[in-house]
Amino acid sequence: NAGVTQTPKFQVLKTGQSMTLQCAQDMNHEYMSWYRQDPGMGLRLIHYSVGAGITDQGEVPNGYNVSRSTTEDFPLRLLSAAPSQTSVYFCASSYSAGSPMNTEAFFGQGTRLTVV
Amino acid sequence: AQKITQTQPGMFVQEKEAVTLDCTYDTSDPSYGLFWYKQPSSGEMIFLIYQGSYDQQNATEGRYSLNFQKARKSANLVISASQLGDSAMYFCAMREGTNAGKSTFGDGTTLTVKP
Repeated sequence: NAGVTQTPKFQVLKTGQSMTLQCAQDMNHEYMSWYRQDPGMGLRLIHYSVGAGITDQGEVPNGYNVSRSTTEDFPLRLLSAAPSQTSVYFCASSYSAGSPMNTEAFFGQGTRLTVV
Repeated sequence: AQKITQTQPGMFVQEKEAVTLDCTYDTSDPSYGLFWYKQPSSGEMIFLIYQGSYDQQNATEGRYSLNFQKARKSANLVISASQLGDSAMYFCAMREGTNAGKSTFGDGTTLTVKP
C-alpha cells in the first residue's frame, strides 16, 4: 500500500528556476495539502484542496501554484525559485469523517529542496 | 495570532519515566480536532493521537494519552514509560470545523530520552 508518494526526495535549484513537486495518493482521499517545514519549526500550510478541481490558499501561498485535476494527484509548482523557499515540503492527504474531522493526515516522506 | 503554542523547545526524560509535552491552542470554532504527530530524525510524520472538541473523555492510544482541558484550551501529550525510540520532535496540530485539508501546527518540542 503506497499511501502518499512524493517525488523527488531531494532537489537543488538555482534562483529563478521553476519546478514541480509531485504528490500522489492511492487512498481515494478527498483532501490534499502542501506544507513547508523550515529548520526547527512546525509545518506551515501552502495550499490545499478539498476535491478535484477545487484548491485554496493556506498561510504561505506566495510563489507557489497548485492544481488538482484528479483525486490522486496534487502537484506543487514553484514559479521562480528563491533562496527563501529552501525548505522541506510535505504533501498530506485526508478524508472526511464526522464533525469535527477526526481523521488524521497521511503524509508523504517529504521533499528536501535547496535553492542556491 | 498563533493558534497552536508549544512552549517547550526541548525536553529530556529518563528512560521508563513519564513525560508531558505541553500544547495550548486558540480557536473560536466550537468544532475542532487536536492531533499529535511524531517526527523522528528520519523526517517522516507519524500520527499518534486525536482528541475532538466534543469528546468527554481524554484520548488514549497505548503509551500515549492526551490531557485535554477545554476551558484552559490545552491539549498536553503524556508519554508513559518512555523508550529510547521516543526521542523525536513532537508536533501538536489543530483542525477547525469540517475542512480536513487545513491543519495548523505548533513549532514542536524535541524530546530526548536518556538511557
